[in-house]
Amino acid sequence: GAVVSQHPSWVICKSGTSVKIECRSLDFQATTMFWYRQFPKQSLMLMATSNEGSKATYEQGVEKDKFLINHASLTLSTLTVTSAHPEDSSFYICSAIDVDNTGELFFGEGSRLTVL
Amino acid sequence: GDSVTQMEGPVTLSEEAFLTINCTYTATGYPSLFWYVQYPGEGLQLLLKATKADDKGSNKGFEATYRKETTSFHLEKGSVQVSDSAVYFCARGGQNQGGKLIFGQGTELSVKP
Repeated sequence: GAVVSQHPSWVICKSGTSVKIECRSLDFQATTMFWYRQFPKQSLMLMATSNEGSKATYEQGVEKDKFLINHASLTLSTLTVTSAHPEDSSFYICSAIDVDNTGELFFGEGSRLTVL
Repeated sequence: GDSVTQMEGPVTLSEEAFLTINCTYTATGYPSLFWYVQYPGEGLQLLLKATKADDKGSNKGFEATYRKETTSFHLEKGSVQVSDSAVYFCARGGQNQGGKLIFGQGTELSVKP
């Protein structure tokens, strides 16, 4: 099946720095990708919808200047956590729709961010 | 607002035991319903889905039936294996959701030999 890959799978950074997480669709083109955040023992919370070639659509309560999303190509979306703080530590997961084929939603393996 | 509620875990079972993980949803209209599984260290994988009332999704011995009258989509398996140990997420989509899903909180299943 279609594969979505995230990089890095885990990252540790100092408070105040910015971190970029990549989400790639490896064998299909994805005009739309989604970014989720998952807290320990909790559900996935949709952060934003990433649209290729246009601005991302953020969910209510998500700071767009804090979580910058860029979807510059049909196979790559990036999430940049700017000026990271310890409360940004979380598991970030992306997903992408294989629109041209099955229409199925595929998830990346997630990226664990720890901010010291 | 629309939501998905799952039974709390962790759930610990012996191999070959019967599994039920409850899931109920609130929604306007008739959303598509999904079960995803997350094995340790891996991303979410679609386990099964149902797109309309009374549909039964099934895969790998797991089943779930879309019950409109009880707004439920309980996951069942007749005989679990150690390899089924994972976190299971119930989720709903909806008309014009375009791939946006609302997830339950996840239920961790641990199967002991």
